[in-house]
Amino acid sequence: DVKVTQSSRYLVKRTGEKVFLECVQDMDHENMFWYRQDPGLGLRLIYFSYDVKMKEKGDIPEGYSVSREKKERFSLILESASTNQTSMYLCASSLWEYTEAFFGQGTRLTVV
Amino acid sequence: QQPVQSPQAVILREGEDAVINCSSSKALYSVHWYRQKHGEAPVFLMILLKGGEQKGHDKISASFNEKKQQSSLYLTASQLSYSGTYFCGTITQGGSEKLVFGKGMKLTVNP
Repeated sequence: DVKVTQSSRYLVKRTGEKVFLECVQDMDHENMFWYRQDPGLGLRLIYFSYDVKMKEKGDIPEGYSVSREKKERFSLILESASTNQTSMYLCASSLWEYTEAFFGQGTRLTVV
Repeated sequence: QQPVQSPQAVILREGEDAVINCSSSKALYSVHWYRQKHGEAPVFLMILLKGGEQKGHDKISASFNEKKQQSSLYLTASQLSYSGTYFCGTITQGGSEKLVFGKGMKLTVNP
């Protein structure tokens, strides 16, 4: 079975903390994505990576950065967490642009 | 830029049909359809790549118009298991491989 694994299902962090969300895929996929899901807003793309060390901004990159040092791992970094970053974060990966994307189970982040 | 989905929500009785629309202001390379049940990750349904394409399995099918700016997902004779939120994802022609999703359509199927 293909797998996209996110390191935590639930996280609670304090305002101002640096937060790392980790995502690992075991399918040798080229593309990896980070989305944020909020009620009524759908899945919004934060960042996209198409190769190791290659990244592109999505629709809402402000307040976030990413790291992809190895093909299988894509990290989302909140440099200084704020309460408006409380959300569900979903990681996904795909082999190519014309193949399906596989999603992780999500990380519910609460910033207090 | 997010594709536009309509309607935003639908309530059906078992056996009824539904259509979900997805449109973009730009020509698309591909359209992806996913369903997400509450508390779960989105699950892939199908991808359409060619203008004029239609594809489907069981009682769920989709079309992609000739101009490659609109797609529709057709749910026929709905079952209780069809309940969930349906998302279309799009990749724009001539750009990067960014997969951008719409706001989703919440489908509730009642007995």
